[in-house]
Amino acid sequence: GQQLNQSPQSMFIQEGEDVSMNCTSSSIFNTWLWYKQEPGEGPVLLIALYKAGELTSNGRLTAQFGITRKDSFLNISASIPSDVGIYFCAGRGSGAGSYQLTFGKGTKLSVIP
Amino acid sequence: DGGITQSPKYLFRKEGQNVTLSCEQNLNHDAMYWYRQDPGQGLRLIYYSQIVNDFQKGDIAEGYSVSREKKESFPLTVTSAQKNPTAFYLCASRIDSSYGYTFGSGTRLTVV
Repeated sequence: GQQLNQSPQSMFIQEGEDVSMNCTSSSIFNTWLWYKQEPGEGPVLLIALYKAGELTSNGRLTAQFGITRKDSFLNISASIPSDVGIYFCAGRGSGAGSYQLTFGKGTKLSVIP
Repeated sequence: DGGITQSPKYLFRKEGQNVTLSCEQNLNHDAMYWYRQDPGQGLRLIYYSQIVNDFQKGDIAEGYSVSREKKESFPLTVTSAQKNPTAFYLCASRIDSSYGYTFGSGTRLTVV
């Protein structure tokens, strides 16, 4: 099946620093989504991307749908303590079962005040 | 307010017992999903349902069962056949015209 490689697995950064994480796929995806999960809670959708090359922002967050349709990245600018959590990428492919999302294993972000 | 509700938040089970996790949504979403989350493993799909009275196995269905008798409800039973049930369980739903899932706040199951 489709696989997503998300990196890095974890990050420790100083408050105020910028953060970058990415996902790569072995196959083409038609949609990329980025979620954030806070401890003990379910993931919440941050950004959805529907077109190759698309660049979308949500406050301090910016995500891009790669031109090859096999990758996506998420940037967080000027990190703050409440950015702590696990960030998941998710992709939707094509063909049978394309209504389902494939999830990356997550990037655990820790922000040092 | 519309949303997806999982209960209970914390659940303790003795070895050898079946236990049922509740998932209810009032979003009028068509599809519903159950995921298991272990540290460092990401989200692994257990079962999903596209319509009432129909459901499909995901990647790790062994030791679990589900039902979908109503559009709003998709309970998950963790049976005694599941050898390592301690985990965080997440329910999600999706309306047919959308690609994004809405997640519940999860149930943490611990076997004692």
